[in-house]
Amino acid sequence: KAGVTQTPRYLIKTRGQQVTLSCSPISGHRSVSWYQQTPGQGLQFLFEYFSETQRNKGNFPGRFSGRQFSNSRSEMNVSTLELGDSALYLCASSRGGDRASFGNTIYFGEGSWLTVV
Amino acid sequence: AQSVAQPEDQVNVAEGNPLTVKCTYSVSGNPYLFWYVQYPNRGLQFLLKYITGDNLVKGSYGFEAEFNKSQTSFHLKKPSALVSDSALYFCAVRDENDYKLSFGAGTTVTVRA
Repeated sequence: KAGVTQTPRYLIKTRGQQVTLSCSPISGHRSVSWYQQTPGQGLQFLFEYFSETQRNKGNFPGRFSGRQFSNSRSEMNVSTLELGDSALYLCASSRGGDRASFGNTIYFGEGSWLTVV
Repeated sequence: AQSVAQPEDQVNVAEGNPLTVKCTYSVSGNPYLFWYVQYPNRGLQFLLKYITGDNLVKGSYGFEAEFNKSQTSFHLKKPSALVSDSALYFCAVRDENDYKLSFGAGTTVTVRA
């Protein structure tokens, strides 16, 4: 079965622009989360969605936003891009649900490489 | 609050020798522990997890990990390393009350032929 699919894989944007990244979770998975990976900060949690509701948000400025659609697909948006936003953005999915499901395996996509110039 | 520490930035071993990647964690509740591997320019690939039960967990590609509650550790091991195991390894923890995974800084494993 297909894994987590992220588009686009690579993109270059200019400072001040905005960007939208897309994620299609594994079929049947209803929880989608996003992470930012940089050499300096490592892997940092951005937000998590379940059934179109954001359940948790990491410590990022309001320029970072996301949403989840009724088919569990998710998008994240970064507005007014800064050079420091250059990173690998990883989407992950799991079956999700209540706290009893927190042991479910979380699967990651290949990521979207964003370069801000 | 939850956190993970991977005390070694790099681990170097010869092919055929045992491989150990260390991980310690801190959570307020019961931990769910995961190991992932990342190859260059790729996403994270799931290796194994500990949820409950047997402290020794077996995963993909011959990897295993031992959960030690008293030492709050979850070290990744492979009895005989391969050159193809050379990659970046991440330990992650999820508290039973948290929606997110917290990752360690990662350990670069190099297996020399």
